[in-house]
Amino acid sequence: GAVVSQHPSRVICKSGTSVKIECRSLDFQATTMFWYRQFPKQSLMLMATSNEGSKATYEQGVEKDKFLINHASLTLSTLTVTSAHPEDSSFYICSAGETGHTGELFFGEGSRLTVL
Amino acid sequence: GENVEQHPSTLSVQEGDSAVIKCTYSDSASNYFPWYKQELGKRPQLIIDIRSNVGEKKDQRIAVTLNKTAKHFSLHITETQPEDSAVYFCAARNQGGKLIFGQGTELSVKP
Repeated sequence: GAVVSQHPSRVICKSGTSVKIECRSLDFQATTMFWYRQFPKQSLMLMATSNEGSKATYEQGVEKDKFLINHASLTLSTLTVTSAHPEDSSFYICSAGETGHTGELFFGEGSRLTVL
Repeated sequence: GENVEQHPSTLSVQEGDSAVIKCTYSDSASNYFPWYKQELGKRPQLIIDIRSNVGEKKDQRIAVTLNKTAKHFSLHITETQPEDSAVYFCAARNQGGKLIFGQGTELSVKP
């Protein structure tokens, strides 16, 4: 299957700082990518849909000014957690599917964020 | 909005028995239904999927059934083995592309 790579896999930061997570589709183009957050022993919750060349669309309850998404190319989307706080500590994971296909989505490895 | 309900949240079976996990979805436009196995700290791993034009699909010990009218789909694992122990998620994807996950089922297979 197609490959989605996410970086970094783990990051520890101080409260108040910003953290950027990258999501790349390595062997296909992705007009749309999706960002999820997963707290321990919980499900994957969709945060936002990243659209190449336009603004991301956020799910209800997700602060767009806190979670900045940029999708500048067909193979790269970034999620920036701004002014991170301990409650933002979570497992963030991206996914993408081939443009024009509405089937399987491919997941990145995930990024474990710990805010001290 | 879209919603996917999954039951049970935990399931314990004896090795060799069958396990069944059930999900319902709210968006009738959903057309793709994958099932994932997730190990702690890892990305979800696709184990089987089904599209809305198919009622049943089987892959060795794993099968999925879909009832579009009732908007529910189920995962069946036969001859369970201890290595099947994990958290399983169902999901539904609509024509808008969003993939919404169920709450997850922690399956424990006792030897």
